[in-house]
Amino acid sequence: DAKTTQPNSMESNEEEPVHLPCNHSTISGTDYIHWYRQLPSQGPEYVIHGLTSNVNNRMASLAIAEDRKSSTLILHRATLRDAAVYYCILRPSGAGSYQLTFGKGTKLSVIP
Amino acid sequence: DADVTQTPRNRITKTGKRIMLECSQTKGHDRMYWYRQDPGLGLRLIYYSFDVKDINKGEISDGYSVSRQAQAKFSLSLESAIPNQTALYFCATSAGSGTATYGYTFGSGTRLTVV
Repeated sequence: DAKTTQPNSMESNEEEPVHLPCNHSTISGTDYIHWYRQLPSQGPEYVIHGLTSNVNNRMASLAIAEDRKSSTLILHRATLRDAAVYYCILRPSGAGSYQLTFGKGTKLSVIP
Repeated sequence: DADVTQTPRNRITKTGKRIMLECSQTKGHDRMYWYRQDPGLGLRLIYYSFDVKDINKGEISDGYSVSRQAQAKFSLSLESAIPNQTALYFCATSAGSGTATYGYTFGSGTRLTVV
């Protein structure tokens, strides 16, 4: 399985932008990059996904490197509610597309 | 109402007892999953089902069984609970077939303690 590498933890001040990095040097051409987050005492929550181009939605932006070996989840203005563990996950297309393999993620702390 | 509902939210049971965790969804998704989360570890897949008649083992299925009673219902059973099955259990659903362009929707989890 393709693997991802994320920092164990990060801190951000409230109302500041946050850039959460993810390395995935062994990504294959058909792997999608997915991000989930898990708030305390809750199930994981889908944030965003992309293949090659940068993506934006109401929650965040996803910036994907040109060689696709890394990506960055961008929270434009961190709030206390964004304190969570963020998971960067590669999902294959085709027969293995159901696979969602979680690593340890990055624990984001937001400082008031 | 939540899109994916898990019951119970918390459960304490004794070693050797049979216990069932239930999951129901209103997303209309065909695919359903059971995951387990242990402290300091990521989620691990126990079982998954692509439709009512298609059930598959995940990476840690030993000691567990499942039942897909309907498109919207997927239950996880521990036939004879043991203490190392103490964990947080999540049910999830997804749409799509052969594509990674859909996100998963997770329930809020069941915290199971086996004493």
